[in-house]
Amino acid sequence: AQSVTQLDSHVSVSEGTPVLLRCNYSSSYSPSLFWYVQHPNKGLQLLLKYTSAATLVKGINGFEAEFKKSETSFHLTKPSAHMSDAAEYFCVVSDRWKTSYDKVIFGPGTSLSVIP
Amino acid sequence: GAGVSQTPSNKVTEKGKYVELRCDPISGHTALYWYRQSLGQGPEFLIYFQGTGAADDSGLPNDRFFAVRPEGSVSTLKIQRTERGDSAVYLCASSPGASTGDTQYFGPGTRLTVL
Repeated sequence: AQSVTQLDSHVSVSEGTPVLLRCNYSSSYSPSLFWYVQHPNKGLQLLLKYTSAATLVKGINGFEAEFKKSETSFHLTKPSAHMSDAAEYFCVVSDRWKTSYDKVIFGPGTSLSVIP
Repeated sequence: GAGVSQTPSNKVTEKGKYVELRCDPISGHTALYWYRQSLGQGPEFLIYFQGTGAADDSGLPNDRFFAVRPEGSVSTLKIQRTERGDSAVYLCASSPGASTGDTQYFGPGTRLTVL
């Protein structure tokens, strides 16, 4: 069965400093992994995804994530935070363990604050 | 092109009433999902449609919840005898098909408040 752990419920960084949002997953099958962002009162937007190609994945707005199978991690990073990055971030795992379709599990989310 | 749309954006109802929430997926997407997001939590899976049929409804919390997708496009989530605990944001997502790793595209959600 799948599960997703986001190790920090809240992260606060200063504008211009690096961002690290941590995610660990559990999957009994070859997983796909995603990061979504949700701005207040807005819909979920895909930042990036990993589907078994390159382990370092680049996404929109300067974000990237690295799939590390040995550590079962998929941490999200950005070299320099902008004020507009303040939002809720969700790590998502999907696989086909005991299903014929992608069963998706969301993590609990990490709230990112950016201090001017 | 048009994304996933959901109507209404907000719905306030009284305990015990019946509500319908609508989802218009991206044209041509055969897979459709409903999720429920409570305050401060990640979305939780409710039901998955492939075409017209509900391939997995294991996430529906009880028999007050039902969803349909009669023509394989628009879907309606129906909640009978609403309870205060049903208050949440209901999200719809669609994806092109059944390929592994397909991206799910989310609508803006319907915020349901049960008084």
